[in-house]
Amino acid sequence: SYVVTQPPSVSVAPGKTARITCGGNRIGSKSVHWYQQKPGQAPVVVIYYDRDRPSGIPERFSGSNSGNTATLTISRVEAGDEAAYFCQVWDGNSDHWVFGGGTKLTVL
Amino acid sequence: QLQLQESGPGVVKPSETLSLTCTVSGDSISSNSYHWGWIRQPPRNGLEWIGTIYYSGSTYYNPSLKSRVTVSVDTSKSQISLRLTSVTAADTAVYYCASVPAAMFEVFDYWGQGTLVTVSS
Repeated sequence: SYVVTQPPSVSVAPGKTARITCGGNRIGSKSVHWYQQKPGQAPVVVIYYDRDRPSGIPERFSGSNSGNTATLTISRVEAGDEAAYFCQVWDGNSDHWVFGGGTKLTVL
Repeated sequence: QLQLQESGPGVVKPSETLSLTCTVSGDSISSNSYHWGWIRQPPRNGLEWIGTIYYSGSTYYNPSLKSRVTVSVDTSKSQISLRLTSVTAADTAVYYCASVPAAMFEVFDYWGQGTLVTVSS
């Protein structure tokens, strides 16, 4: 089945830009969705279909997807952005939903 | 806005069956606007998709769990159910239910708060 890979951790200073990647074979041909999960809370979708933001999600959150890598970009990082971020795709070949292993974003 | 609430026993003995329900409010569970999914998260670990049921009744399961899992909908109670048989310690996790918009069927948009299930004798 399809596999998506994320780095376990990313660190960034406040005010800087964080980039969290999600790798997979020809992932650019799929749609990628991103979830933020803070400790003790349920995940919240922050980007869907590669680059769309749900209402209420700051414009600082953006997404891109091409080739073998999708990227969640968080601009002007704030302390409140510290969380785990998960990418997710739907594998049309198998009708399965697949999550990446998650990336812990640390704000220095 | 949809609201989802998981419920069920917090402890299940090894080899027994885990049964959880998810109560939906804020919209009719029988409308064709939503499908429904279950996702779990072992302690200090990532998210694992368990299964999805479409409003048509079609079901899709994680191949690693397929032989043990059943997802169903009870429209009279506005509930989605999860059954996982022959559980082991590896099934200890927080279990979430989530809605899947029919128009954006790839995404889990609203999530319940999750319920911790521990497999232990």
